[in-house]
Amino acid sequence: AQKITQTQPGMFVQEKEAVTLDCTYDTSDPSYGLFWYKQPSSGEMIFLIYQGSYDQQNATEGRYSLNFQKARKSANLVISASQLGDSAMYFCAMRELGSARQLTFGSGTQLTVLP
Amino acid sequence: NAGVTQTPKFQVLKTGQSMTLQCAQDMNHNSMYWYRQDPGMGLRLIYYSASEGTTDKGEVPNGYNVSRLNKREFSLRLESAAPSQTSVYFCATLYLGPRGGWDTEAFFGQGTRLTVV
Repeated sequence: AQKITQTQPGMFVQEKEAVTLDCTYDTSDPSYGLFWYKQPSSGEMIFLIYQGSYDQQNATEGRYSLNFQKARKSANLVISASQLGDSAMYFCAMRELGSARQLTFGSGTQLTVLP
Repeated sequence: NAGVTQTPKFQVLKTGQSMTLQCAQDMNHNSMYWYRQDPGMGLRLIYYSASEGTTDKGEVPNGYNVSRLNKREFSLRLESAAPSQTSVYFCATLYLGPRGGWDTEAFFGQGTRLTVV
């Protein structure tokens, strides 16, 4: 079974609007962390935001916020006021503290910001 | 302040050749990971090392071997390269504490673009 699911292969958003990228996860480990990464066409992996399973508040980093719904096992990324430079591939990832200690990625969402 | 360094950045191999991809980190992280990324797809875990002296298989380990040489270095070896191993390979590191206390960011190398012809 997939541990990280991103159901939106591609998304379009108008410049200056907000967009939500979906991510659901599956784990039985009570201790885990969720990451979002951006990969522009140049290929490097850029860290955006992190949410720990015990964090009470939703994480925010500038224009990025993470809508963490623990009971639903979802960790959606919200980008406010989209910019042309936000066009990229976005990956959700999870690491578990249990014996496996894996860091697992979803298949990604290609976001295109339209002028 | 190098972070995570992968070598080489580009490589072309002939089918059946062998090579080793190197990854070194200077952040004193205990966990290291090797991924492959095929065009338009996500990162698939090949092997990982939760701590020095341990290695474990990930999702797609066939055709690869790894060595955690020391805390800093984690290498990925292709013994007999195949065209299906044409991909971009990423090394990543993360600190994971034994009972919590972990870094909130995984750090990536710049990637190695490997073509097997």
